[in-house]
Amino acid sequence: DSGVTQTPKHLITATGQRVTLRCSPRSGDLSVYWYQQSLDQGLQFLIQYYNGEERAKGNILERFSAQQFPDLHSELNLSSLELGDSALYFCASSAGSGNLNNEQFFGPGTRLTVL
Amino acid sequence: DAKTTQPTSMDCAEGRAANLPCNHSTISGNEYVYWYRQIHSQGPQYIIHGLKNNETNEMASLIITEDRKSSTLILPHATLRDTAVYYCIVKGGNTGKLIFGQGTTLQVKP
Repeated sequence: DSGVTQTPKHLITATGQRVTLRCSPRSGDLSVYWYQQSLDQGLQFLIQYYNGEERAKGNILERFSAQQFPDLHSELNLSSLELGDSALYFCASSAGSGNLNNEQFFGPGTRLTVL
Repeated sequence: DAKTTQPTSMDCAEGRAANLPCNHSTISGNEYVYWYRQIHSQGPQYIIHGLKNNETNEMASLIITEDRKSSTLILPHATLRDTAVYYCIVKGGNTGKLIFGQGTTLQVKP
């Protein structure tokens, strides 16, 4: 158990819909990272938040957005869903902002299926 | 971030050492080598990281060549539970994001 929790575990929805994925970091960790893992693209970094502020952005689509709340939990919002958005979405947390070499601890993931 | 090259797959006998190589010939002086693994579809798990010295922890050892262009992750006594995809990642100190490649699928056989 990494200490990072993600809900829900599974999500099945239809094209065009909007969903919210939730992540609670390990106690004391200030950074939250979101990654997407699909069969054809592998594990891809989406976005990082540090202490409530966006810190780094990766290959995140404009239809996707994220935020980190004052209690440090984070949400990833996916809208206008397409079949290709079906994937495993992982959240990770680390103690620092990323400029230190702290390891990232990954949650169990949310499996999103878009029908 | 530097790109890494790993073999697609490897086999290892249970109880033997598993040596997983990684090439990172374009690594910069301030970039670290990280290893993570992913068992089935679970979240990736941190294993070890290093800059230029060899590192050891309770899970594995990391050997980095003197020119830092390659490294080897060593699992000293592989068990069936070590069957996983192993990712070698080069990460700069000014960013937290991890760039995952295709990794090496390690199959530990009885």
